[in-house]
Amino acid sequence: AQSVTQLGSHVSVSEGALVLLRCNYSSSVPPYLFWYVQYPNQGLQLLLKYTTGATLVKGINGFEAEFKKSETSFHLTKPSAHMSDAAEYFCAVSVETGGFKTIFGAGTRLFVKA
Amino acid sequence: KAGVTQTPRYLIKTRGQQVTLSCSPISGHRSVSWYQQTPGQGLQFLFEYFSETQRNKGNFPGRFSGRQFSNSRSEMNVSTLELGDSALYLCASSLDRSDTQYFGPGTRLTVL
Repeated sequence: AQSVTQLGSHVSVSEGALVLLRCNYSSSVPPYLFWYVQYPNQGLQLLLKYTTGATLVKGINGFEAEFKKSETSFHLTKPSAHMSDAAEYFCAVSVETGGFKTIFGAGTRLFVKA
Repeated sequence: KAGVTQTPRYLIKTRGQQVTLSCSPISGHRSVSWYQQTPGQGLQFLFEYFSETQRNKGNFPGRFSGRQFSNSRSEMNVSTLELGDSALYLCASSLDRSDTQYFGPGTRLTVL
């Protein structure tokens, strides 16, 4: 069975600082990996996804993530935080084993200080 | 293209009642998944429908059910509501089963 662990339920950074949100996954079959962002009272918006191929994935709003199979990690980074990045971020893993199922991590709330 | 729409956006029910939530996927999308989001449990997978067939189901009691119509619109039903069913219910659609999911704004259900 697959699972997702996001390290840190809350992360606080200063505006302009590096953003690093950690995600580790477990899957018995090759997974698809995703990062989503959720703003208050809204649904989830896809930031980026990894399916196959290049392990460094670039997404929207300057975010990127690197798939490291040996470490079973898919950490999300952004070189310089902006106030508008304050939101909740979810890492997710999808696998197809008969049915198609997506498992989400518990989420990390990002705070950006002025 | 219009995004995923969910109706209603807000709903208040009392214990024991039943509720039906609706999801209209992005035009052309054939896969619809449902999730329950609560502060305590986070985002939990309910079920996935593809071409009117339920392909996968999460670990929820039988009170939670769903269906998908020929136009890919989907409904989920919760019978005999409990206080713990209060949550944001999110619907997501994708072009195909392994494709990117696009989420609707959710239906916030409050059970009193």
